[in-house]
Amino acid sequence: AQSVTQPDIHITVSEGASLELRCNYSYGATPYLFWYVQSPGQGLQLLLKYFSGDTLVQGIKGFEAEFKRSQSSFNLRKPSVHWSDAAEYFCAVGLYSSASKIIFGSGTRLSIRP
Amino acid sequence: DVKVTQSSRYLVKRTGEKVFLECVQDMDHENMFWYRQDPGLGLRLIYFSYDVKMKEKGDIPEGYSVSREKKERFSLILESASTNQTSMYLCASTRTGNTEAFFGQGTRLTVV
Repeated sequence: AQSVTQPDIHITVSEGASLELRCNYSYGATPYLFWYVQSPGQGLQLLLKYFSGDTLVQGIKGFEAEFKRSQSSFNLRKPSVHWSDAAEYFCAVGLYSSASKIIFGSGTRLSIRP
Repeated sequence: DVKVTQSSRYLVKRTGEKVFLECVQDMDHENMFWYRQDPGLGLRLIYFSYDVKMKEKGDIPEGYSVSREKKERFSLILESASTNQTSMYLCASTRTGNTEAFFGQGTRLTVV
């Protein structure tokens, strides 16, 4: 069965430090891959997506992610975090089908230390 | 600007009530979804619809039903609300062939 694993439930980093959030997926083919961010009390906003081509993708707010087929991973990175990056981050996999179904990981909550 | 609109941000209902959560999208998307979000569990798919009057069960359909009479509108129905259905409910839509999902702001439902 398809699945998405985010092994870190909660991460705290200092403002200005670098960030990497991990995501692994299980799927028989190369899926569409996404990272979404959810600020408190808000819906989900798309940070970036990978469909094909260059395995390093750039997103909004200075985030990037790298698709590694051999590791079935799609980790999210940011070189220097800001206090406004505190939020919950979800990795997601889009499956090839007529309904374009999306499966989400359990999320990683990011806290920023001043 | 694309938009998915959920009719209520907050709802409080009593146990046993029939509850309707409404979602409307203005992007002419074929596919619409209802997710439930609980701490530590991420988003779990309740139901989705790939066309008018068509629906498929997601991972946790028990206790829920859905209705899609028009392309832009997808309703989630709790036939008899229970306290374990207290949660955040998120609606999303996608265009077939492009699985980028657009989300509503969510409805926080409390069943007392």
